[in-house]
Amino acid sequence: KNQVEQSPQSLIILEGKNCTLQCNYTVSPFSNLRWYKQDTGRGPVSLTIMTFSENTKSNGRYTATLDADTKQSSLHITASQLSDSASYICVVASSGDKLTFGTGTRLAVRP
Amino acid sequence: DAGVIQSPRHEVTEMGQEVTLRCKPISGHDYLFWYRQTMMRGLELLIYFNNNVPIDDSGMPEDRFSAKMPNASFSTLKIQPSEPRDSAVYFCASGLQETQYFGPGTRLLVL
Repeated sequence: KNQVEQSPQSLIILEGKNCTLQCNYTVSPFSNLRWYKQDTGRGPVSLTIMTFSENTKSNGRYTATLDADTKQSSLHITASQLSDSASYICVVASSGDKLTFGTGTRLAVRP
Repeated sequence: DAGVIQSPRHEVTEMGQEVTLRCKPISGHDYLFWYRQTMMRGLELLIYFNNNVPIDDSGMPEDRFSAKMPNASFSTLKIQPSEPRDSAVYFCASGLQETQYFGPGTRLLVL
Protein backbone atom coordinates (compact mmCIF):
# COMPACT_ATOMS: atom_id res chain seq x y z
CA LYS A 1 0.00 0.00 0.00
CA ASN A 2 1.31 3.44 -0.94
CA GLN A 3 2.00 5.56 2.14
CA VAL A 4 3.63 8.87 3.01
CA GLU A 5 4.64 9.50 6.61
CA GLN A 6 5.76 12.86 7.89
CA SER A 7 7.55 13.75 11.07
CA PRO A 8 7.33 15.44 13.40
CA GLN A 9 3.57 16.02 13.53
CA SER A 10 4.18 19.43 15.02
CA LEU A 11 7.15 21.61 15.79
CA ILE A 12 7.77 24.88 17.61
CA ILE A 13 10.94 26.86 16.94
CA LEU A 14 12.22 30.34 17.67
CA GLU A 15 12.43 32.93 14.95
CA GLY A 16 15.79 32.85 13.20
CA LYS A 17 16.44 29.17 13.91
CA ASN A 18 16.72 26.45 11.30
CA CYS A 19 14.56 23.33 11.18
CA THR A 20 14.19 20.15 9.15
CA LEU A 21 11.00 18.30 8.36
CA GLN A 22 11.02 14.66 7.32
CA CYS A 23 9.02 12.66 4.78
CA ASN A 24 9.29 8.89 4.31
CA TYR A 25 7.36 7.18 1.58
CA THR A 26 6.54 3.73 0.25
CA VAL A 27 5.12 4.74 -3.11
CA SER A 28 5.84 2.73 -6.20
CA PRO A 29 6.43 3.36 -9.01
CA PHE A 30 7.82 6.77 -8.11
CA SER A 31 7.29 9.77 -10.36
CA ASN A 32 7.96 12.87 -8.28
CA LEU A 33 7.84 14.28 -4.75
CA ARG A 34 6.31 17.62 -3.86
CA TRP A 35 6.40 19.82 -0.82
CA TYR A 36 3.54 22.22 -0.17
CA LYS A 37 3.13 25.00 2.38
CA GLN A 38 -0.36 25.63 3.69
CA ASP A 39 -1.14 28.71 5.73
CA THR A 40 -4.11 28.48 8.09
CA GLY A 41 -7.34 28.99 6.22
CA ARG A 42 -5.74 28.96 2.79
CA GLY A 43 -4.98 26.49 0.03
CA PRO A 44 -1.60 24.75 -0.25
CA VAL A 45 1.16 26.47 -2.20
CA SER A 46 3.82 24.49 -4.03
CA LEU A 47 7.37 24.87 -2.70
CA THR A 48 9.33 22.28 -4.68
CA ILE A 49 8.83 19.38 -7.05
CA MET A 50 11.59 16.79 -7.33
CA THR A 51 11.97 13.95 -9.78
CA PHE A 52 13.92 10.74 -9.34
CA SER A 53 17.16 12.20 -10.66
CA GLU A 54 17.15 15.29 -8.43
CA ASN A 55 18.52 15.02 -4.92
CA THR A 56 18.29 18.64 -3.86
CA LYS A 57 16.24 21.66 -4.85
CA SER A 58 15.97 25.10 -3.29
CA ASN A 59 13.31 27.76 -3.22
CA GLY A 60 14.61 30.73 -1.27
CA ARG A 61 15.12 29.70 2.34
CA TYR A 62 13.53 26.29 1.65
CA THR A 63 15.74 23.41 0.56
CA ALA A 64 14.33 19.99 -0.20
CA THR A 65 16.40 16.85 -0.46
CA LEU A 66 15.47 13.48 -1.90
CA ASP A 67 17.09 10.10 -1.38
CA ALA A 68 15.32 7.78 -3.79
CA ASP A 69 17.23 4.75 -2.50
CA THR A 70 16.00 5.09 1.06
CA LYS A 71 12.74 6.73 -0.03
CA GLN A 72 13.23 9.71 2.21
CA SER A 73 12.90 13.43 1.70
CA SER A 74 13.53 16.39 3.95
CA LEU A 75 12.58 20.03 3.87
CA HIS A 76 15.08 22.34 5.51
CA ILE A 77 14.05 25.87 6.46
CA THR A 78 16.87 28.31 7.05
CA ALA A 79 16.66 31.37 9.31
CA SER A 80 12.99 30.87 10.04
CA GLN A 81 10.56 33.77 9.98
CA LEU A 82 7.19 34.22 11.64
CA SER A 83 5.59 33.84 8.20
CA ASP A 84 6.94 30.29 7.98
CA SER A 85 4.31 29.23 10.53
CA ALA A 86 2.14 26.85 8.52
CA SER A 87 1.52 23.20 7.74
CA TYR A 88 3.96 21.55 5.38
CA ILE A 89 2.62 18.69 3.30
CA CYS A 90 4.66 16.07 1.46
CA VAL A 91 3.01 14.53 -1.59
CA VAL A 92 4.40 11.68 -3.67
CA ALA A 93 3.21 11.06 -7.21
CA SER A 94 3.41 7.70 -8.89
CA SER A 95 2.98 6.85 -12.54
CA GLY A 96 -0.41 7.74 -13.89
CA ASP A 97 -0.58 10.83 -11.69
CA LYS A 98 -1.64 8.91 -8.59
CA LEU A 99 -0.97 11.12 -5.59
CA THR A 100 -0.32 9.96 -2.03
CA PHE A 101 -0.48 12.65 0.63
CA GLY A 102 1.23 12.94 3.97
CA THR A 103 -0.75 14.30 6.88
CA GLY A 104 1.59 17.24 7.25
CA THR A 105 3.85 18.85 9.83
CA ARG A 106 2.47 21.84 11.66
CA LEU A 107 5.24 24.39 12.24
CA ALA A 108 4.96 27.30 14.65
CA VAL A 109 7.66 29.97 14.66
CA ARG A 110 7.73 32.02 17.85
CA PRO A 111 9.30 35.49 18.22
CA ASP B 1 -4.63 36.76 -12.95
CA ALA B 2 -6.97 36.37 -9.97
CA GLY B 3 -5.92 32.80 -9.36
CA VAL B 4 -8.30 29.93 -8.85
CA ILE B 5 -11.70 31.19 -7.75
CA GLN B 6 -14.03 29.12 -5.61
CA SER B 7 -17.53 29.81 -4.45
CA PRO B 8 -19.05 29.88 -1.99
CA ARG B 9 -16.27 30.34 0.55
CA HIS B 10 -18.46 29.00 3.33
CA GLU B 11 -21.54 26.82 3.20
CA VAL B 12 -23.72 25.61 6.04
CA THR B 13 -26.50 23.21 5.15
CA GLU B 14 -28.67 20.56 6.67
CA MET B 15 -28.29 16.86 6.17
CA GLY B 16 -30.08 15.67 3.06
CA GLN B 17 -29.74 18.93 1.16
CA GLU B 18 -27.95 19.26 -2.16
CA VAL B 19 -24.68 21.18 -2.13
CA THR B 20 -22.96 22.60 -5.21
CA LEU B 21 -19.42 23.92 -5.07
CA ARG B 22 -18.04 25.96 -7.92
CA CYS B 23 -14.59 26.54 -9.33
CA LYS B 24 -13.10 28.81 -11.97
CA PRO B 25 -9.57 27.65 -12.86
CA ILE B 26 -6.70 29.84 -13.99
CA SER B 27 -7.02 30.63 -17.67
CA GLY B 28 -4.86 28.40 -19.85
CA HIS B 29 -4.49 25.59 -17.33
CA ASP B 30 -5.56 22.26 -18.76
CA TYR B 31 -5.73 20.30 -15.50
CA LEU B 32 -8.35 20.78 -12.80
CA PHE B 33 -8.44 18.96 -9.48
CA TRP B 34 -10.94 18.66 -6.64
CA TYR B 35 -9.64 17.89 -3.16
CA ARG B 36 -11.17 17.42 0.26
CA GLN B 37 -9.34 18.19 3.49
CA THR B 38 -10.27 17.15 7.03
CA MET B 39 -8.33 17.02 10.25
CA MET B 40 -8.71 13.25 10.42
CA ARG B 41 -7.83 12.31 6.85
CA GLY B 42 -5.74 15.23 5.67
CA LEU B 43 -5.81 16.18 2.00
CA GLU B 44 -7.50 13.74 -0.40
CA LEU B 45 -7.76 13.94 -4.17
CA LEU B 46 -11.35 13.37 -5.25
CA ILE B 47 -11.21 13.73 -9.03
CA TYR B 48 -9.23 15.45 -11.73
CA PHE B 49 -9.90 16.58 -15.28
CA ASN B 50 -7.61 17.09 -18.25
CA ASN B 51 -8.96 19.29 -21.02
CA ASN B 52 -12.43 19.11 -19.42
CA VAL B 53 -12.46 15.30 -19.46
CA PRO B 54 -12.58 13.39 -16.15
CA ILE B 55 -9.41 11.28 -15.95
CA ASP B 56 -9.51 9.70 -12.50
CA ASP B 57 -12.48 9.77 -10.16
CA SER B 58 -11.33 6.91 -7.95
CA GLY B 59 -11.15 9.29 -5.00
CA MET B 60 -14.82 10.21 -5.12
CA PRO B 61 -16.19 8.68 -1.92
CA GLU B 62 -19.52 7.46 -3.22
CA ASP B 63 -22.32 8.03 -5.68
CA ARG B 64 -23.56 11.01 -3.72
CA PHE B 65 -20.60 12.95 -5.14
CA SER B 66 -20.45 14.07 -8.74
CA ALA B 67 -18.25 16.53 -10.62
CA LYS B 68 -18.58 18.18 -13.98
CA MET B 69 -16.48 20.43 -16.15
CA PRO B 70 -18.70 21.73 -18.97
CA ASN B 71 -15.99 24.05 -20.30
CA ALA B 72 -12.40 25.11 -19.66
CA SER B 73 -13.37 27.91 -17.29
CA PHE B 74 -15.86 26.24 -14.95
CA SER B 75 -16.29 23.15 -12.82
CA THR B 76 -18.74 22.02 -10.17
CA LEU B 77 -18.65 19.47 -7.39
CA LYS B 78 -22.08 18.36 -6.24
CA ILE B 79 -23.07 16.41 -3.15
CA GLN B 80 -26.60 15.02 -3.12
CA PRO B 81 -27.78 14.23 -0.51
CA SER B 82 -25.27 15.72 1.88
CA GLU B 83 -24.35 14.06 5.19
CA PRO B 84 -22.60 15.39 8.31
CA ARG B 85 -19.47 13.36 7.47
CA ASP B 86 -19.09 15.43 4.30
CA SER B 87 -18.13 18.41 6.44
CA ALA B 88 -14.68 19.46 5.27
CA VAL B 89 -12.80 22.07 3.30
CA TYR B 90 -13.05 21.43 -0.43
CA PHE B 91 -10.26 22.77 -2.61
CA CYS B 92 -10.14 23.22 -6.33
CA ALA B 93 -6.73 23.42 -8.01
CA SER B 94 -5.68 23.99 -11.58
CA GLY B 95 -2.37 23.51 -13.28
CA LEU B 96 -0.13 22.49 -16.12
CA GLN B 97 1.40 19.05 -15.52
CA GLU B 98 2.82 18.72 -11.99
CA THR B 99 2.52 22.28 -10.72
CA GLN B 100 -0.87 22.95 -9.17
CA TYR B 101 -2.36 26.20 -7.96
CA PHE B 102 -4.95 25.88 -5.25
CA GLY B 103 -7.99 28.02 -4.68
CA PRO B 104 -8.93 29.37 -1.25
CA GLY B 105 -11.30 26.48 -0.56
CA THR B 106 -14.94 26.12 0.39
CA ARG B 107 -15.58 25.32 4.04
CA LEU B 108 -18.62 23.05 4.16
CA LEU B 109 -20.54 22.26 7.32
CA VAL B 110 -23.39 19.78 7.13
CA LEU B 111 -25.60 19.80 10.21
